[in-house]
Amino acid sequence: VLTQSPATLSLSPGERATLSCRASQSVNNYLAWYQQTPGQPPRLLIYDTSKRAAGIPARFSGSGSGTEYTLTISSLEPEDFAVYYCQQRSNWPFTFGPGTKVDIK
Amino acid sequence: EVQLVESGGGLVRPGGSLRLSCAASGFSLSDYAMSWVRQAPGKGLEWVAGIVYSSDETYYVDSLKGRFTISRDRSKNTLYLRMNSLRADDTAVYYCAKGLAVVIGIIDYCGRGTLVTVSS
Repeated sequence: VLTQSPATLSLSPGERATLSCRASQSVNNYLAWYQQTPGQPPRLLIYDTSKRAAGIPARFSGSGSGTEYTLTISSLEPEDFAVYYCQQRSNWPFTFGPGTKVDIK
Repeated sequence: EVQLVESGGGLVRPGGSLRLSCAASGFSLSDYAMSWVRQAPGKGLEWVAGIVYSSDETYYVDSLKGRFTISRDRSKNTLYLRMNSLRADDTAVYYCAKGLAVVIGIIDYCGRGTLVTVSS
């Protein structure tokens, strides 16, 4: 089971965002992060804890190990206000966290 | 350019069946792990089923095993999801998902999705 915190993060453009994902057991660094905006499919940002997907800006970074993982957005751009999901592929069934909504303060 | 176009969704009565299709272009389905992921209205994401690129080994969420079947037609470069005995809680947007290379557990690209509504 994956849990994400906070459920909602209210920030202003230019601020730093720190999103957390906690697993009930180790996911062995097989942790990905996705971004989803309304009416759109999820978009891969980070996989295997810290590897940025193709075309993803450097302001997105991931870290963590074991059961605790973090997605950091160094300086929020207007297009970054969205819902972010973590997802593990360590054990089947692959599961997503409930999401963190980053909205404009 | 990679494209995934889902079709086959719609309104179906409880207990009914549907077959979703996902037409791929810009790459060969045979070379990638593929999956279906769904999202109920206003809810989060759920991995439904996956198929390994080489062996066609399949994976299903336990709660769906026996009702849903994932398959692919290499000649048509199309992925399918056959859904039987549909229930109201199967109502969702169903996304076709391409794996990152042969890795089944990472969604590299998704289609726009097709909405399945199960209601009487």
